[in-house]
Amino acid sequence: AQSVSQHNHHVILSEAASLELGCNYSYGGTVNLFWYVQYPGQHLQLLLKYFSGDPLVKGIKGFEAEFIKSKFSFNLRKPSVQWSDTAEYFCAVTSYNTDKLIFGTGTRLQVFP
Amino acid sequence: KAGVTQTPRYLIKTRGQQVTLSCSPISGHRSVSWYQQTPGQGLQFLFEYFSETQRNKGNFPGRFSGRQFSNSRSEMNVSTLELGDSALYLCASSSDRAETQYFGPGTRLLVL
Repeated sequence: AQSVSQHNHHVILSEAASLELGCNYSYGGTVNLFWYVQYPGQHLQLLLKYFSGDPLVKGIKGFEAEFIKSKFSFNLRKPSVQWSDTAEYFCAVTSYNTDKLIFGTGTRLQVFP
Repeated sequence: KAGVTQTPRYLIKTRGQQVTLSCSPISGHRSVSWYQQTPGQGLQFLFEYFSETQRNKGNFPGRFSGRQFSNSRSEMNVSTLELGDSALYLCASSSDRAETQYFGPGTRLLVL
């Protein structure tokens, strides 16, 4: 069965620090990969996605992620975080022919000024 | 375009009751998926509908059911509520299979 692992459950950073959140998935076939963000009191929003092509994808608010097929990874990065990035981040995967999103357990990011 | 809307936003029920939640997808989207979000289990897939047909189903008991109407609006029903059904129920819509899913604000259900 497909699964997604997010190894960082809670990350605390100061503003301007760099961020990298890990995401690994288990599935041998073609996958679509997503990062969603849930700001406090708001609904899940899409940060970025990878379907095919350039493995380095850029999303909103300066986030980017790199798909490394050999490592089954899709890590999220941001060079300099802001207080407004405080949120919960979810990595998710679907196989290419289904809408069933498998989510990781989420990473809670707290950014202090 | 208007986003995904869900009603009601909050609901309190007692054990044994049933509940119906509603979801209106983004205009033009024909696929609607439902997810349950709890602190202990995280986000779990319930089921997905496309053109009024259930295309995929997660590992939830038969008490959880859903349907989709010809205008793509969807409802999910939970019968014989249990305390453990307390959760945030999220609806997501997409234009087709394996396309990006856009989420609604959710319905927060509390079972007493």
